[in-house]
Amino acid sequence: EPEVTQTPSHQVTQMGQEVILRCVPISNHLYFYWYRQILGQKVEFLVSFYNNEISEKSEIFDDQFSVERPDGSNFTLKIRSTKLEDSAMYFCASNPGLAYNEQFFGPGTRLTVL
Amino acid sequence: ILNVEQSPQSLHVQEGDSTNFTCSFPSSNFYALHWYRWETAKSPEALFVMTLNGDEKKKGRISATLNTKEGYSYLYIKGSQPEDSATYLCALNTGRRALTFGSGTRLQVQP
Repeated sequence: EPEVTQTPSHQVTQMGQEVILRCVPISNHLYFYWYRQILGQKVEFLVSFYNNEISEKSEIFDDQFSVERPDGSNFTLKIRSTKLEDSAMYFCASNPGLAYNEQFFGPGTRLTVL
Repeated sequence: ILNVEQSPQSLHVQEGDSTNFTCSFPSSNFYALHWYRWETAKSPEALFVMTLNGDEKKKGRISATLNTKEGYSYLYIKGSQPEDSATYLCALNTGRRALTFGSGTRLQVQP
């Protein structure tokens, strides 16, 4: 069964460093998403991406964040200069098209900023 | 700010017990409600997507109902098994693609 994969599973970085989180969505899906969950808080939406551009973003997704689909398979989230408060579990998701379709989630990347 | 609430926060039951949890949401701007099952260190797995008032969905021992007029959904597990232990998340679509999640109900089933 096709699944969303994410690498790495755990990333530790120093404050101020750039990190890139990688995702491989399900191959025939058209919409891609990033969410995050800070420990003890709700899962929060960051951004959705379609046809090589951002279709929606939340207030959290400021200029420190960017997303890219550099080739036909990968979908990346870049954080330019990490802060302590960026420590969270980051989830990638994808879905085939319709807005209310289920979103298929990856297992997450745990980002720890020291 | 859209607020999706889930209760209880956590639940401990014995194997064989039936249980249910609640997801509450604002009834205006409703588009779809999603239930996810999330085991530690695994991907959240979609259980149901419901869009119509009065919807009832079932998958094995798990079922869900939806009331969009009063803004709630129930998830039921009949005859809980240890493998049902997980966090159950509900999430709302309001016509945008972003899902707004509740805080989850953490279920622990004791053998």
